[in-house]
Amino acid sequence: GAGVSQSPSNKVTEKGKDVELRCDPISGHTALYWYRQSLGQGLEFLIYFQGNSAPDKSGLPSDRFSAERTGGSVSTLTIQRTQQEDSAVYLCASSEPGPMGYTQYFGPGTRLTVL
Amino acid sequence: KNEVEQSPQNLTAQEGEFITINCSYSVGISALHWLQQHPGGGIVSLFMLSSGKKKHGRLIATINIQEKHSSLHITASHPRDSAVYICAVRRPSGGSNYKLTFGKGTLLTVNP
Repeated sequence: GAGVSQSPSNKVTEKGKDVELRCDPISGHTALYWYRQSLGQGLEFLIYFQGNSAPDKSGLPSDRFSAERTGGSVSTLTIQRTQQEDSAVYLCASSEPGPMGYTQYFGPGTRLTVL
Repeated sequence: KNEVEQSPQNLTAQEGEFITINCSYSVGISALHWLQQHPGGGIVSLFMLSSGKKKHGRLIATINIQEKHSSLHITASHPRDSAVYICAVRRPSGGSNYKLTFGKGTLLTVNP
């Protein structure tokens, strides 16, 4: 079946512009995660959605970052007034719900470059 | 100090060699994950374990909860094993137990 898809695969933008990154999770997966991978750094948790529960936004680095998930499926990560330090690969993952131990399936990522 | 430390950062091997990548962590966990990231970015989950040892093909993962240490072994390494291997830990149940904390990864290059 289809895996997690993300679009665009690459995005180049100018400093100060807003960008939207999209994630389509695996059908039936109620848990969705956004991560950021900066050059030379490990993966960093950004935000977590689980069903209709309030999202955990504790990993968002600033109030320029926001995310929503419509209809419990597609998610959009929005970065306003982009800065050069926002340049990174943004990864989305989804998983089935469960109290412990579940595999996260990752999308291919969106490489964001802020000039 | 990072909560999850991997070693080595870079590893170069010849085809056929036995590979070991190490992961140490400093927090209580409910599970540990090993992930593989190929050039181009795609991440695949290899193992999730909370005790003992798991094997899948030529890959073996072990964990020692008391010592807060895990190893990923690759037997009979092949150039297609060349990738970044990432260790990640999940906190104990309750609260934000879904969150993963990641190591910085180990870049493995296997030469033919």
